[in-house]
Amino acid sequence: DAKTTQPTSMDCAEGRAANLPCNHSTISGNEYVYWYRQIHSQGPQYIIHGLKNNETNEMASLIITEDRKSSTLILPHATLRDTAVYYCILNDYKLSFGAGTTVTVRA
Amino acid sequence: DAGVTQSPTHLIKTRGQHVTLRCSPISGHKSVSWYQQVLGQGPQFIFQYYEKEERGRGNFPDRFSARQFPNYSSELNVNALLLGDSALYLCASSRPGQGFGETQYFGPGTRLLVL
Repeated sequence: DAKTTQPTSMDCAEGRAANLPCNHSTISGNEYVYWYRQIHSQGPQYIIHGLKNNETNEMASLIITEDRKSSTLILPHATLRDTAVYYCILNDYKLSFGAGTTVTVRA
Repeated sequence: DAGVTQSPTHLIKTRGQHVTLRCSPISGHKSVSWYQQVLGQGPQFIFQYYEKEERGRGNFPDRFSARQFPNYSSELNVNALLLGDSALYLCASSRPGQGFGETQYFGPGTRLLVL
């Protein structure tokens, strides 16, 4: 069962930052927070992960609160190709996907 | 470098038949996981294999089985197919040894339709 809570959907304007929240209040000390996205009918794509420090890569930034009970994925400059379902997952060797957040980037 | 590959891409079967799906992991990855994604839902974990041993199993019936070969490729077998087995079957590979926090990379999936 998914151990994270995400909004069902959100819209974002092209070129603006998209901030995707995720709650994981029952996270254990050694569970990583992972983000994947899935564009229609394709396999999920890995975005970023973190344990307790903020992380940044070429795709996104991940902000994890100090108590680790929530996190935010930031897409700095959303494009139309970022339209997808975004999943926030706690990784304990298997990935327990929830329903994710459907992000629609509008021109 | 090649990513995770899966075959076939699409498959149509009838109820009661069996099916074998194949997965080749990223070079250097020794762990393979299988997921089932029914239309409109997130992927659900079926199995994980590491070094040819089952490392974990999700809540799926015994009709589902899998194995991993010495070259780390894997097969997922489903017997006595039901209409509800129609789904996208995803394979993911990872480089284990890290315990928690192994990054899994997914293939494009095999879309199975059971009639």
